[in-house]
Amino acid sequence: GAGVSQSPSNKVTEKGKDVELRCDPISGHTALYWYRQRLGQGLEFLIYFQGNSAPDKSGLPSDRFSAERTGESVSTLTIQRTQQEDSAVYLCASSLVGGRVGYEQYFGPGTRLTVT
Amino acid sequence: ILNVEQSPQSLHVQEGDSTNFTCSFPSSNFYALHWYRWETAKSPEALFVMTLNGDEKKKGRISATLNTKEGYSYLYIKGSQPEDSATYLCASTHPSNTGKLIFGQGTTLQVKP
Repeated sequence: GAGVSQSPSNKVTEKGKDVELRCDPISGHTALYWYRQRLGQGLEFLIYFQGNSAPDKSGLPSDRFSAERTGESVSTLTIQRTQQEDSAVYLCASSLVGGRVGYEQYFGPGTRLTVT
Repeated sequence: ILNVEQSPQSLHVQEGDSTNFTCSFPSSNFYALHWYRWETAKSPEALFVMTLNGDEKKKGRISATLNTKEGYSYLYIKGSQPEDSATYLCASTHPSNTGKLIFGQGTTLQVKP
């Protein structure tokens, strides 16, 4: 079946502009995560959605970052007034359910964001 | 703070060599340990999810072990092939009831033909 898809695959934007990144999770997966990897660093958690529960936004680095998810479908990550330190690969992952028991997370191919 | 460490940071081996990497994580509040392989321009691919102390898992030439009491996991690759070249990530599940993963910085493996 279809995996996790993300768009765009690459995005170059000027400092100060807003960008929107999209994630289509695997159908039926109730949990959705956003992570990012900045150059030379490990993957860092940004935000988690589980069904209709309140999202865990504890990883968002500033109030310029926001994300939405409609039910158990598409999610968008929006970065307002982009800064050069926002340059990173943004990865989306989905899982059958969230929780601590260790369900496998399936990752999309990522969006490479470059802020000039 | 949940800190996951991986070593070495990078590794170059010859085709046919066997190799292993280490992942260390806090042993308190442990729930699950994940290994992923991330090839350039592709999605990270799940290799193993391990939860029990003493777990050993195998997928082809790749295997992993888990010691939750001392907080480490080893990933082994037997008879490395050029197609094994990738970054290998380990991640521990955060204690919050979300399943979010705390990743190490990865080990980048380069296998020379």
